[in-house]
Amino acid sequence: IAGITQAPTSQILAAGRRMTLRCTQDMRHNAMYWYRQDLGLGLRLIHYSNTAGTTGKGEVPDGYSVSRANTDDFPLTLASAVPSQTSVYFCASSVQRGEKLFFGSGTQLSVL
Amino acid sequence: AQTVTQSQPEMSVQEAETVTLSCTYDTSESDYYLFWYKQPPSRQMILVIRQEAYKQQNATENRFSVNFQKAAKSFSLKISDSQLGDAAMYFCAYRSPNTGNQFYFGTGTSLTVIP
Repeated sequence: IAGITQAPTSQILAAGRRMTLRCTQDMRHNAMYWYRQDLGLGLRLIHYSNTAGTTGKGEVPDGYSVSRANTDDFPLTLASAVPSQTSVYFCASSVQRGEKLFFGSGTQLSVL
Repeated sequence: AQTVTQSQPEMSVQEAETVTLSCTYDTSESDYYLFWYKQPPSRQMILVIRQEAYKQQNATENRFSVNFQKAAKSFSLKISDSQLGDAAMYFCAYRSPNTGNQFYFGTGTSLTVIP
């Protein structure tokens, strides 16, 4: 089934640890995104990539990094997790110019 | 960055009645796209409806329709004949074709459907 796969589904992480959230899509979409969802704040863009080999910063990039080595994969790394990074993280993708976002099922991350 | 505002954190509607969710946005662009997404308790994000700014006709998808007022920068969602399955968080989103193709989301409206 075509779509976006995120892993893990949920994770509890000790503060200060490094963590990579994985995201893979099989729709050959050029654009990919990472959002975090927090109650009362909606979805906020962390990083995005319009095509393989390029990335850009969103609204809340601090403490996160991404890479886009190929079209399909867009991992999000927390170099040293802090409790304020407790959130639900969504990976998404789209074709360029105007089409909808396709979302993964999300990762619930708790940093203690 | 564009701003999307949903001023109703929570709404409720009786089953079979009609409800309207509000969304306003701030932009200087003339060409853009607007979306409503639904997020049920399963956490899945589901596209409800999409509107292209250059089209004056309001988009409609079955029981869901929008009232797009470009000059007022308003994009409200009307749900007719509300069903229990419509209970969810609803997010309004703006997509710019210019600023990195980014999507900007509102803070969401939690809709309760009362049997």
